[in-house]
Order: sequence, then C-alpha cells, then structure tokens
Amino acid sequence: SYELTQPLSVSVALGQTARITCGGNNIGSKNVHWYQQRPGQAPVLVIYRDSNRPSGIPERFSGSNSGNTATLTISRAQAGDEADYYCQVWDSSTSYVFGTGTKVTVL
Amino acid sequence: QVQLQESGPGLVKPSGTLSLTCAVSGGSINTSNWWSWVRQPPGKGLEWIGEIYHSGSTNYNPSLKSRVTISVDKSKNQFSLKLSSVTAADTAVYYCARVSWGYYHSSGYFRGFDYWGQGTLVTVSS
Repeated sequence: SYELTQPLSVSVALGQTARITCGGNNIGSKNVHWYQQRPGQAPVLVIYRDSNRPSGIPERFSGSNSGNTATLTISRAQAGDEADYYCQVWDSSTSYVFGTGTKVTVL
Repeated sequence: QVQLQESGPGLVKPSGTLSLTCAVSGGSINTSNWWSWVRQPPGKGLEWIGEIYHSGSTNYNPSLKSRVTISVDKSKNQFSLKLSSVTAADTAVYYCARVSWGYYHSSGYFRGFDYWGQGTLVTVSS
C-alpha cells in the first residue's frame, strides 16, 4: 500500500513562513491536494493538483511537488492558520490516500 | 455554492448497522462528480470509505468493502452510507464530500475533495 508521511507538528512565528512536507515514494509523479482542518471543523481544500489555490484561499498558501516530497508553504503565518493539515493523493491502484497529518502552531 | 449535510443516528449499538445520509444542495448530484464518504476517529487522521457516481457505480476502500454499501437517490439529491457489523473502532466523525476529478497530460489523473459536509459524530456503544 502507498503511504504518505508528514511531520507530526510544525511551529511558526507569527508573520513567518511555515513549510509542511508530505513524503511518499515518487510522489512527484502524482497529483497532491492539501486540506486545512481547524479544530472541530471539516477539512477545507487549500491546494489542489500540487500548486493550485481554490477560489477564496489566500495567496499566502502555496504548494510544490517533486521527487519524493510535496510541500505546503504558508507565508506570513497568521493565528488563524493554526490547524491540522493533510496531504492526499489518488491513483488507480491505491485509491485515495491521506497523509498522517501535521499540526501547525503559530507562536 | 454546493453544500453537503450529513444526517443520521449519533449512536449505534455494536454489531449493528450505521446508516447516514448526505443531502446535497446548491447543485445537482447528477453531475460529472463522484460523491464520497470519509471518516475520522477522535484525535486521528482521515480515512476514505467509498464513493458513488450518479449512475450508481461505486468504489470502496478494500479494508471496509465487505461491510460498506453506498447508494444514491437522485430524486432526493442525496446519497447514503451503510456500514454493517460495527464495533467501537468505527466510532468516528463521518464526512460526506464531493470529488473533483480529471486528467491532465502533464500530471495524469487526479481526484480530490472540493466540498465537504460539516461532519457527524457516530458513536458505537451499547
């Protein structure tokens, strides 16, 4: 089965940049989506197909994907960015796979 | 703006069947989207359960396939989940979600969840 590994937690100072990684075998060949889940709320799509932002998502959120690592970058971090973040991929053999999730804390 | 709303019992007895419905508003279920169920045990990560197309075609997580049935009711613009023989391990927040999918020559097929319901907690307990 295919696995996606994320760091358990990432801390970032207010106004600084946070980078959340998502590791998987040759993940660069797949399309990666990222979700933000604030406490007690449903996940929200923040990046789709590696680096695209849905309407309404701030430009501060960006994504990249190459080799064995996909990365979600949050620039100028705000208190409201505190949440759990999940990466996700799909392919015909493994179907939908979610990453282990990363808790982002804004200091 | 598409909206999804889960409904169903919040408490199910062990060995019973969990039944949930997802009502879709702001758009038709009869589109080129798949419709999915995803669950999240308390304090844990996300797990995909299965999906359905408006035609009735389904795909299920192999680890749950023997216990899961997903159906669609186009007349009511909703789809449903049944999970049988539940145990405490099935206690989770259950989300319904819309799947956006497609193919790009540069990066191949993709499927992701662009709209989610608010989720409903189902507890399995006697």
